[in-house]
Amino acid sequence: ILNVEQSPQSLHVQEGDSTNFTCSFPSSNFYALHWYRWETAKSPEALFVMTLNGDEKKKGRISATLNTKEGYSYLYIKGSQPEDSATYLCAAGSGSARQLTFGSGTQLTVLP
Amino acid sequence: DTGVSQDPRHKITKRGQNVTFRCDPISEHNRLYWYRQTLGQGPEFLTYFQNEAQLEKSRLLSDRFSAERPKGSFSTLEIQRTEQGDSAMYLCASSLAGSHEQYFGPGTRLTVT
Repeated sequence: ILNVEQSPQSLHVQEGDSTNFTCSFPSSNFYALHWYRWETAKSPEALFVMTLNGDEKKKGRISATLNTKEGYSYLYIKGSQPEDSATYLCAAGSGSARQLTFGSGTQLTVLP
Repeated sequence: DTGVSQDPRHKITKRGQNVTFRCDPISEHNRLYWYRQTLGQGPEFLTYFQNEAQLEKSRLLSDRFSAERPKGSFSTLEIQRTEQGDSAMYLCASSLAGSHEQYFGPGTRLTVT
């Protein structure tokens, strides 16, 4: 069973600020690392899936990196906008079913 | 909308009652997952189907919980004799076998009074 931890738990930033969050996971038995964005009353939205050490993915102003040897991933948001306000979840995939073990999330609030 | 759908979106029930939730996955997806999220926590894995076969169950899934996917398409999750501790968001996700990506529905929020 994986133990996935995220920090910080919550974050308030001003519009235009850049920010980043951390996800840590046990490096043994690792299969894949997922980032999701979850807005209230909506479905969690998949942002990235990464599997290889050193992977970097980018989608608009959001990017993520993966270090499987030391067991961490960073999510970066450049020039935060109020619409970026959401809970950002990371999850590690493991096991034959590839079920996901989630961290408790980082709640981001971007103030206009 | 071709995404994962869940019904109902909200359910309020009295302790001791039975409830059933439904999940309709993305049509060509053969894997279906149920997760539960309680306040302040991330979603926790409950169970997983590949087609109609339930292949894995978490220890979180007590005897009062049962899930089915009779024709390998939609799935139901039933909770019998609900307890206040069952209050949570129940999320369903689907994927293609061999794919890393899981696509989530909007969840069913259960409140047990």
